[in-house]
Amino acid sequence: DIVMTQSPDSLAVSLGERATINCKSSQSVLDSSSNKNFLAWYQQKPGQPPKLLIYWASTRESGVPDRFGGSGSGTDFTLTISSLQAEDVAVYYCQQYYSTPYTFGQGTKLEIK
Amino acid sequence: QVQLQQSGPGLVKPSQTLSLTCAISGDSVSSNSAAWNWIRQSPSRGLEWLGRTYYRSKWYNDYAVSVKSRITVNPDTSKNQFSLQLSSVTPEDTAVYYCVRGNSDWTFDYWGQGILVTVSS
Repeated sequence: DIVMTQSPDSLAVSLGERATINCKSSQSVLDSSSNKNFLAWYQQKPGQPPKLLIYWASTRESGVPDRFGGSGSGTDFTLTISSLQAEDVAVYYCQQYYSTPYTFGQGTKLEIK
Repeated sequence: QVQLQQSGPGLVKPSQTLSLTCAISGDSVSSNSAAWNWIRQSPSRGLEWLGRTYYRSKWYNDYAVSVKSRITVNPDTSKNQFSLQLSSVTPEDTAVYYCVRGNSDWTFDYWGQGILVTVSS
């Protein structure tokens, strides 16, 4: 199984400031034939299911604000929120869909400082 | 707009079978570009993908090794829904269970509301 490890486990950022969450996979999730990274990011608020934010490591899902950005390749990935808003308080998960079993990171809890 | 409506009991006794159903609207369980997944979430195990069913000229299933001997995911084309059966449950299977659509890019874009299933006598 591909193990996904996020850092940090929790993060407190001031409103309007940048938030950065890291995700590392135990093996590459880059498909060399398509040159695509099979890596997604999700946001989960209390009492709700996760919501897809980013796929192919850097493509925003329709309707996701452009303050959310994804980057990275191979085994190292980053989710960046360029200017934190109050509604961004949530737990964020990375997930690989390169191979089954699809696996998630342990989550990063983002709070307002 | 795709909607997934989950149903099933919230309490299951140890050693019994957990059974959940997910009714699909806005898409078809027989779609050639979607996959229909079950994912669970617990404080101890986090988000855990359990398995899926999908149709590509014929039906396919994939299951997580951790539950492979106990899990069945079945489509029901007559009702446009799919189901999860997990046998021989223990308290470790206590979790919120989600049904989830995997889209043509294999990412999870639509989620059911989740059902908390508690395994307890």
